[in-house]
Order: sequence, then structure tokens, then C-alpha cells
Amino acid sequence: QKEVEQDPGPLSVPEGAIVSLNCTYSNSAFQYFMWYRQYSRKGPELLMYTYSSGNKEDGRFTAQVDKSSKYISLFIRDSQPSDSATYLCAMTIQGAQKLVFGQGTRLTINP
Amino acid sequence: GAGVSQSPSNKVTEKGKDVELRCDPISGHTALYWYRQSLGQGLEFLIYFQGNSAPDKSGLPSDRFSAERTGGSVSTLTIQRTQQEDSAVYLCASSRSAIAPGGSGNTIYFGEGSWLTVV
Repeated sequence: QKEVEQDPGPLSVPEGAIVSLNCTYSNSAFQYFMWYRQYSRKGPELLMYTYSSGNKEDGRFTAQVDKSSKYISLFIRDSQPSDSATYLCAMTIQGAQKLVFGQGTRLTINP
Repeated sequence: GAGVSQSPSNKVTEKGKDVELRCDPISGHTALYWYRQSLGQGLEFLIYFQGNSAPDKSGLPSDRFSAERTGGSVSTLTIQRTQQEDSAVYLCASSRSAIAPGGSGNTIYFGEGSWLTVV
């Protein structure tokens, strides 16, 4: 079993829809949670960062962490075609030097 | 430079040949990371450097893989006697410090990757 599980999709939704992306994990020591966005043939770029449990909002994006369920989510409101990309969740523990990534979910927003 | 720079961007090599992949991190970033991304997969950690030292080499897939960093800046990932299963995107990243990477104020920035195909 992988430390971090993420549905690879692909996920296709119409423009304007609310998108929900999720990851589950097995290591309860994870404390830092991130979402990266990766466009085709580009490197991942940090989208959201959350420490421990709770919600964080940034514009149309909301990240949620539920440590009791070992479950994290990314919500995209009013989705745009420019949001079409692969979204990767990542997490790490205090003092660690590496990120553990999910497989990535390929998202397409249709105009 | 403005971002993490990697070269070559694309490399096709014959099975059994050696390849070198280069990474130039963001100026001032002391931490440098190598990850591998196979088709449709997430990123697999390979190795990290804090300055010129690599305290943890456990992520390297086999002894055919090695990496070095000189002058606290440029890093080279070398794959000897390449195999077809080595075909992947090799991503380099850097951050200000290797302590709590990805955290607040210590964002990890990725390059665009070196796309390696072994035929």
C-alpha cells in the first residue's frame, strides 16, 4: 500500500463547476500538506500549503485537512479551462527533507 | 537565475549508455532535490543535498544512479548503463533550506524536468 493514495482520474468537468480533489494517507506523522499543479511538460508548482488540520482558502481554491480521517481535499470554485492540469498532493513530516507525493489527478475543464 | 534550470530538456539514449542530467538551482538556495516522475505516476524522491553533502541517498533506485553537487550550486545526476525502466522525467528542485521543505517560507521550486527516453 502506498503512503499516499490519490485517484489518478482523469476527471472532466464543465467550466464553472466546483471541483473536489482528494488524497488519503496512512502515516499519521504527516504534518505539512501541499497541493501542486502541474501543466503538461512543466514542473509542479506549489498551489496551496497547509500545516496540520483545518481549512485554508486562497481565491477560488480551498484546501482542507482532516488528520483524524487521514484525508485531504482541494476544492476549486468557478473552475476555468486554465485550471486544466494535473494536481498532485504532497505531504511531509516534521524534520523530514523529502515530500511524499500522490499519483496526481488529471483534470480537464471543458469550456 | 530566476528559476530552477535543467538540461538537457530531452534526451534519447541507447540502452547501456551513461547519461548526465544537470540542475542549476535558484541562487541562494542551499537545498537541492532530485525526483523522478514516471508516466502517469507521482513524484518519487531520489536524493537531496544540503550544501554539497547528501545525507540521504536511500532513494536512489540502484547503484547505477549517482549524484553530486559542487560549490553549493550546480548538481549532476548520473545514470550509468541505462535501462529502459529508467525512462522517466527527472525533476530537480530547490528550496532555501532542507529543514521542513515545502513549508511556509521554504517553498520547493521545481524545474521543468529532463525527459529521458532509453531505447
